[in-house]
Amino acid sequence: QVQLQESGPGLVKPSQTLSLTCTVSGGSISTAGYYWSWIRQHPGEGLEWIGDIYFSGSTTYNPSLESRVAISRDTSKIQFSLRLSSVTAADTAIYYCARSYSGSYYYSDYWGQGALVTVSS
Amino acid sequence: DIQMTQSPSSLSASIGDRVTITCRASQSISIYLNWYQHKPGKAPNLLIYGASSLQSGVPSRFSGSGSGTDFTLSISSLQPEDFASYYCQQSYSTPYTFGQGTKLEIK
Repeated sequence: QVQLQESGPGLVKPSQTLSLTCTVSGGSISTAGYYWSWIRQHPGEGLEWIGDIYFSGSTTYNPSLESRVAISRDTSKIQFSLRLSSVTAADTAIYYCARSYSGSYYYSDYWGQGALVTVSS
Repeated sequence: DIQMTQSPSSLSASIGDRVTITCRASQSISIYLNWYQHKPGKAPNLLIYGASSLQSGVPSRFSGSGSGTDFTLSISSLQPEDFASYYCQQSYSTPYTFGQGTKLEIK
């Protein structure tokens, strides 16, 4: 059973960089056919896809965030990470990591519990 | 970006009721449509992928249908654990976008 757990600071100051790590257990992030995703949910709002890192290491980002976001991975630690620079209050959200399948259809079948990140001075 | 619009935004129903949630895409997405259930403080749970394929382990009272721009999620007989928020997501093209959600509440 694949499990994901987000970790990182819960409070980030405006203009600084948000950094979160997702630790995966019960599977490898190098397994062919899977994306490893970051999704966020602003307070009281819907879900927003941030981006993916593919099993090969290639990345795809939401164009609305592309200038500020970077997703990387550490296969030896079975972790992948999110960095979002120049944050503002609008980046306050619950951040989820997820495993996404990329076969005939794309879908996210395992998710972490989420990490609340507040941007405030 | 493809816009996803769900209706209703909230819904009150009773145990045993059949409910239907609708999701409309701003352009055709074939059958690249997923449905998720989300409870506060919990990880979202994949229910349906490919518009109508039931994810392993999901009860058969959940079903999905549709293609092109119009999709539905149905729950045949509501159980207490079904009261949650539901989101559709298009996986036709990036950025993958979600509907705004439907909150299902107990009447």
